[in-house]
Amino acid sequence: QVQLQESGPGLVKPSETLSLTCTVSGGTVSSADYYWTWIRQSPGKGLEWIGNIYYSGSMKYNPSLNSRASISLDTSKNQFSLKLTSVTAADTAVYYCATEGLFFGEHYYGLDVWGQGTTVAVSS
Amino acid sequence: DIQMTQSPSTLSASVGDKVTITCRASQSISTWLAWYQQKPGKAPKLLIFKASNLITEVPSRFSGSGSGTEFTLTISSLQPDDSATYYCHHYSSYSQTFGQGTKVEIK
Repeated sequence: QVQLQESGPGLVKPSETLSLTCTVSGGTVSSADYYWTWIRQSPGKGLEWIGNIYYSGSMKYNPSLNSRASISLDTSKNQFSLKLTSVTAADTAVYYCATEGLFFGEHYYGLDVWGQGTTVAVSS
Repeated sequence: DIQMTQSPSTLSASVGDKVTITCRASQSISTWLAWYQQKPGKAPKLLIFKASNLITEVPSRFSGSGSGTEFTLTISSLQPDDSATYYCHHYSSYSQTFGQGTKVEIK
């Protein structure tokens, strides 16, 4: 069973770049069985899908982030990462990494495994 | 973008009650819908995928139905452990959107 663990700074200054990493165990980021996904949840708010990446390197992002997000894979470390540029207080949130389980390479199972989440505050 | 609208935003019910949460999509999404349960301070937990498929370890009192634009999550007999916020989630190659959540409280 895949397990995920987020890591990264808990505090980022406005206008800087937020960088988070998700370490994968019990599976490999080279697997064709998952989209590797980032989601966030602002304080007291609902869930927001940020984007995902496939083992092939294909990426999709939430258009509402105005091209500020980028997701990458590091197969040597079995990790995937999120960078969010030009952050503001509105980017303060709990950030989750998750897997979206696929069936023969197609969307099917939804977000079936989640990390515990990491809190990121944007403040000077 | 496809919008997902959940109702109600909160509900309060007694142990043993039947509870229904509705999720409406702004356009047809076939059955590309999942339901999650989130308890305070925890990550969401997948309950149902593809509108009506229950995850193996999820109690059978949970069920999902619907297709197109209207979907429901039903808890047939509410238990104290079901106190949580529930989210619907549309997932596809073209878009991914969550509903705003429904908080379920036990009276």
